Parts: sequence; C-alpha cells; structure tokens
Amino acid sequence: DAKTTQPPSMDCAEGRAANLPCNHSTISGNEYVYWYRQIHSQGPQYIIHGLKNNETNEMASLIITEDRKSSTLILPHATLRDTAVYYCIVRVHSDSNYQLIWGAGTKLIIKP
Amino acid sequence: SQTIHQWPATLVQPVGSPLSLECTVEGTSNPNLYWYRQAAGRGLQLLFYSVGIGQISSEVPQNLSASRPQDRQFILSSKKLLLSDSGFYLCAWTLDRSSYEQYFGPGTRLTVT
Repeated sequence: DAKTTQPPSMDCAEGRAANLPCNHSTISGNEYVYWYRQIHSQGPQYIIHGLKNNETNEMASLIITEDRKSSTLILPHATLRDTAVYYCIVRVHSDSNYQLIWGAGTKLIIKP
Repeated sequence: SQTIHQWPATLVQPVGSPLSLECTVEGTSNPNLYWYRQAAGRGLQLLFYSVGIGQISSEVPQNLSASRPQDRQFILSSKKLLLSDSGFYLCAWTLDRSSYEQYFGPGTRLTVT
C-alpha cells in the first residue's frame, strides 16, 4: 500500500511556481521522501529526495515539514514541458534492499 | 554513459500465450535491476528485483517470473498470460541497494486480448 497521499490533479500557469503537496503521515524516521515524474508513456524520471532538511537542485526544491508528515515539491518556473504525473514516494527498507512505494501521483498540467 | 533498453515497445498477446520481455543495461557493472508494472492511471508496482546474476526476489505472487542470465540482462516471462497482466512494464536499475536514484527504461506496453 502507498504511504503517500497526493491530489489527483493540479493546474499551474506557465512561468509561475508549481507547488505540489504530499502527505506521508505514517513515514518512519529513517525513510526518505522521493519525487519522480513521468511524462506520458515514458519511464519515470528522478527529481529530488530528502530525509529531514529542505533540498534544492537544478530541477526543483523539496520542503519537508518539521514533523516529516508532509512535504511540498516546488518547480520554481514551470514550463509546458513540466506537464507530467508527479509521484511522491517513500523509500522503505525491505529485506536486503530498499523499495520505492509508489502512489497514484498528481497530474500536473502547465497552461500557457 | 549508462543506457537501459527494453523491447519490444508494444506487444499485443492473446490470453494463454507465453511472454518474454527483455531489459539490458549498458555502461555499468553489477547493477541492481527491477521490474515494475503500471496499470492505467496508477503508480508503479514492484514485481521483481535482482542484486546479481541468478538472484531474483519476488514481491508479488503471480503468474510472472523473472530471470537474470547475465550481469546486465533481466528478463520477465510468463507461461500463460491472463487479461489482468495487461499494463505498462518498466525495467529500472541502480548502482547498489542504497543508491538514491533509479534509472528507468522506456517501457513495454502489453495488451492481453
């Protein structure tokens, strides 16, 4: 079962910041939050991940609340090419490996 | 640079027929390999993962099986397909079990009729 909850869809105007929320209220202390995105009919693409601190890279910023029960992915200046399904994922430790537990994601539509 | 290939890109198979999907990785050695399935409008479901040749872990009981005959080759198979096997099958790799990023292939869209 997915450990994250996301809104099914969101719209954002081109050039504006897109803020995608995610709830993960049952996350454990050593479980990371990951974000991937999937453009239609392609393989998912890694965006960013974090544990406790806020993170930023060339694609996005990840803001994690102090209690770690929710996070927000921020695309600072959304373009039409950012239209995709965005997945907020919790990485759990299972046996000798780590697993990404995927939910249904948020379909983000960037409008001109 | 590393590249991951999957084939075929699309496949239409009748119920009861066998299945073989292949995934190969270039540009790296001893990768961790993964097979996922994605139903329409859903997230990814992990089916199998492998940490080395001949080492397969199954996450979901089903009529599918996986094999890793070579270091950079991962095969997904079935002896008899079911309608419920339809979906988008994705292969992915990581450098090791603690790697934070999984790299995905282009996927195979399977329709069982």
